[in-house]
Amino acid sequence: EAQVTQNPRYLITVTGKKLTVTCSQNMNHEYMSWYRQDPGLGLRQIYYSMNVEATDKGDVPEGYKVSRKEKRNFPLILESPSPNQTSLYFCASSPYPRTGVRTEAFFGQGTRLTVV
Amino acid sequence: AQSVAQPEDQVNVAEGNPLTVKCTYSVSGNPYLFWYVQYPNRGLQFLLKYITGDNLVKGSYGFEAEFNKSQTSFHLKKPSALVSDSALYFCAVSPEGKAAGNKLTFGGGTRVLVKP
Repeated sequence: EAQVTQNPRYLITVTGKKLTVTCSQNMNHEYMSWYRQDPGLGLRQIYYSMNVEATDKGDVPEGYKVSRKEKRNFPLILESPSPNQTSLYFCASSPYPRTGVRTEAFFGQGTRLTVV
Repeated sequence: AQSVAQPEDQVNVAEGNPLTVKCTYSVSGNPYLFWYVQYPNRGLQFLLKYITGDNLVKGSYGFEAEFNKSQTSFHLKKPSALVSDSALYFCAVSPEGKAAGNKLTFGGGTRVLVKP
């Protein structure tokens, strides 16, 4: 079954304690990205990756890091979490639009993070 | 930069009545437009997309959307709403061109409540 898998689904942590949210896709997609969802703001892109070892900042990258060492995995790292990073996080993947034509993205089930 | 507006935070409709969720967008060049739905504790699910061609796009679960270039709108519609359509709906836009990859810019979301 084609899917994007995020772990953990729920996480409560304390300010300053480093954490990693994992994301894995089994569709051989080149493009992966992380979004955070906040009420009234929709989803905003944090970081994206067009392929292995190719990552770049999205609209709200401050306080986050990512890596793309393998095509299937795209972990999100919070080196020193703060309460304003309390949010619902989604990983998404899609094929790279070689011809410029967009395809739909596949989303993980989300990670609800609370930083106290 | 692209943007999406969903002017209604919530739409209430009686079961069996028509459902419309509004979306307007701003983007340079030709837009790629998407609708996603989010059920409680779930990730986003793709409903439909406009790439090019017919202005009326049909998608999953009986939903359709009408692209109107002059009004820069992409409203989501369903002729007869079901209680099970109650969810959070997101409109998203992606600009043309390979440089943008598959980045999606989302609206703030519209909660749909269908009452029996």
